[in-house]
Amino acid sequence: DAGVIQSPRHEVTEMGQEVTLRCKPISGHDYLFWYRQTMMRGLELLIYFNNNVPIDDSGMPEDRFSAKMPNASFSTLKIQPSEPRDSAVYFCASSLDASMGTQYFGPGTRLLVL
Amino acid sequence: GDSVTQMEGPVTLSEEAFLTINCTYTATGYPSLFWYVQYPGEGLQLLLKATKADDKGSNKGFEATYRKETTSFHLEKGSVQVSDSAVYFCALKGESGGSNYKLTFGKGTLLTVNP
Repeated sequence: DAGVIQSPRHEVTEMGQEVTLRCKPISGHDYLFWYRQTMMRGLELLIYFNNNVPIDDSGMPEDRFSAKMPNASFSTLKIQPSEPRDSAVYFCASSLDASMGTQYFGPGTRLLVL
Repeated sequence: GDSVTQMEGPVTLSEEAFLTINCTYTATGYPSLFWYVQYPGEGLQLLLKATKADDKGSNKGFEATYRKETTSFHLEKGSVQVSDSAVYFCALKGESGGSNYKLTFGKGTLLTVNP
């Protein structure tokens, strides 16, 4: 099994630009989670989906952030416009049975906004 | 709301030393508790878990016991190796029911093991 795949692994952009992060969950997993990791705030849940439907987006910091899951094998997290304070590592995770708490994380996308 | 507090570290040990990373939590009812590990440049992966009081989770020589009376889930290993160098995260998931599938993570503890 390939595991959770994220792209790009690294992204450097300038303030004001649009950034799109991509995630392919493990096949058959019905739950998909987006997290942000920073030194100051640790690991924060941004949003999660169940069967492609957003269930809880209360962690999305503001309207500049949006996430979609058009099908079971693909999700995007978009930041428009990006700001320097968005610099972080963004993780995608998937789960077969989220009620058990076991989530499988991708390698992350390291985003730097200049 | 739910919260997890773990010792911040960093923790630096010599190979074969004993490891303890403290973790305490605040939650209503009976949460499930987890330790995740993040190796350099990688995503988090589940190390062990416990779903009810007095359960002991174990994996790769690591252990943690769910202590409801002290709301704790401390991680221990009797003899660490250089390959255990990583960041360790304590996490909880609220009681089942409804749609509560979120994990709440601690800030993480960096462990460095020297040869």
